[in-house]
Amino acid sequence: IAGITQAPTSQILAAGRRMTLRCTQDMRHNAMYWYRQDLGLGLRLIHYSNTAGTTGKGEVPDGYSVSRANTDDFPLTLASAVPSQTSVYFCASSDSIGGDYNEQFFGPGTRLTVL
Amino acid sequence: GQNIDQPTEMTATEGAIVQINCTYQTSGFNGLFWYQQHAGEAPTFLSYNVLDGLEEKGRFSSFLSRSKGYSYLLLKELQMKDSASYLCAALDSNYQLIWGAGTKLIIKP
Repeated sequence: IAGITQAPTSQILAAGRRMTLRCTQDMRHNAMYWYRQDLGLGLRLIHYSNTAGTTGKGEVPDGYSVSRANTDDFPLTLASAVPSQTSVYFCASSDSIGGDYNEQFFGPGTRLTVL
Repeated sequence: GQNIDQPTEMTATEGAIVQINCTYQTSGFNGLFWYQQHAGEAPTFLSYNVLDGLEEKGRFSSFLSRSKGYSYLLLKELQMKDSASYLCAALDSNYQLIWGAGTKLIIKP
């Protein structure tokens, strides 16, 4: 593994189904993030984690949950998918969340369609 | 509220220079990032400014004015591969990135 990986690459999901998007990084970064990107809108933060064992809510957390059991993995779960959750989902990580430098490295994204 | 404004789309000619502007309003400020995103791909880091002034990195330069809440990305000697979206993002007081919607740059031969 080099950098950040996400799985699946794309998925079509029936409304009401549960879905977990996976994200793994091998850079030993402390902070991880989940964003959604919709046409015409900027990246919107769903949830974040400053360090293993802690998580926080971003701008659009409703309908999503996350866990951070270890440094490398940060899965995003949709408990009961709805069509408005159709989007491209990006996982990202950064070395730290404080300090003067917070460059984020992004995974390749998961394209999710909820029908 | 927090807001990032940048033009939706710009067109430029191969070999020319283009400037992409970004204005921001955030709760606190800890720096301004520019990312490049090719269609269907993930964003990749271009630059970070926290102090006023110009930072040059090869063909790309980024400028920041904290007093005006303003930044620009300057791309010189444009190449066809520079066709992409350019995302401006400001780091707020909680060290969360607030993202603009991106500027789609179209390069014509």
